[in-house]
Amino acid sequence: ETGVTQTPRHLVMGMTNKKSLKCEQHLGHNAMYWYKQSAKKPLELMFVYNFKEQTENNSVPSRFSPECPNSSHLFLHLHTLQPEDSALYLCASSQDLTRGAVHEQFFGPGTRLTVL
Amino acid sequence: AQKVTQAQTEISVVEKEDVTLDCVYETRDTTYYLFWYKQPPSGELVFLIRRNSFDEQNEISGRYSWNFQKSTSSFNFTITASQVVDSAVYFCALSERSGGSYIPTFGRGTSLIVHP
Repeated sequence: ETGVTQTPRHLVMGMTNKKSLKCEQHLGHNAMYWYKQSAKKPLELMFVYNFKEQTENNSVPSRFSPECPNSSHLFLHLHTLQPEDSALYLCASSQDLTRGAVHEQFFGPGTRLTVL
Repeated sequence: AQKVTQAQTEISVVEKEDVTLDCVYETRDTTYYLFWYKQPPSGELVFLIRRNSFDEQNEISGRYSWNFQKSTSSFNFTITASQVVDSAVYFCALSERSGGSYIPTFGRGTSLIVHP
């Protein structure tokens, strides 16, 4: 596997379900991100992790719970979601965010989530 | 107010036409970074270019060129002799310092459709 992978690619869940999205990067990066992409809206940054530590939480509802067990893996745990949470969830990684470093991001193909 | 404005929601051209995608940004920082990403139908955003605020040199890469003008806060992207494979959504992004890190803000994207 190369680059950034995400599983599952598609997910349909009811509002009472609990599910998790998984992201894995094979690039040796230390920063990982979750984005939400809804139709006709800008890409919304949800969470940022740098060296496994959460550095950004963009006022995301608690029904979204991220987990970063190591620099290569990032999860997004979902529970009691709403239909408006239906969107494409994109994971990205970059080299790191240390000392004001700025690096391009590498994105996964996303998980298309539908909440019924 | 949006920090990154891509006023063109959708552009439709015929193959071999030149096309320019506009990006206007807003920041009070003197140090910032600008990016362009391409999102083909497969979903994953692909990095195209990064430019820092101190480097106003225009750049050309094959059929792609970028025009950075600080005086007008614009970072426009031109595709010369467009091809069907250029059909995608293109995002402009601005990275400003947030806390100790540079976090990107994306525009809404411009959907480019190239007809054969």
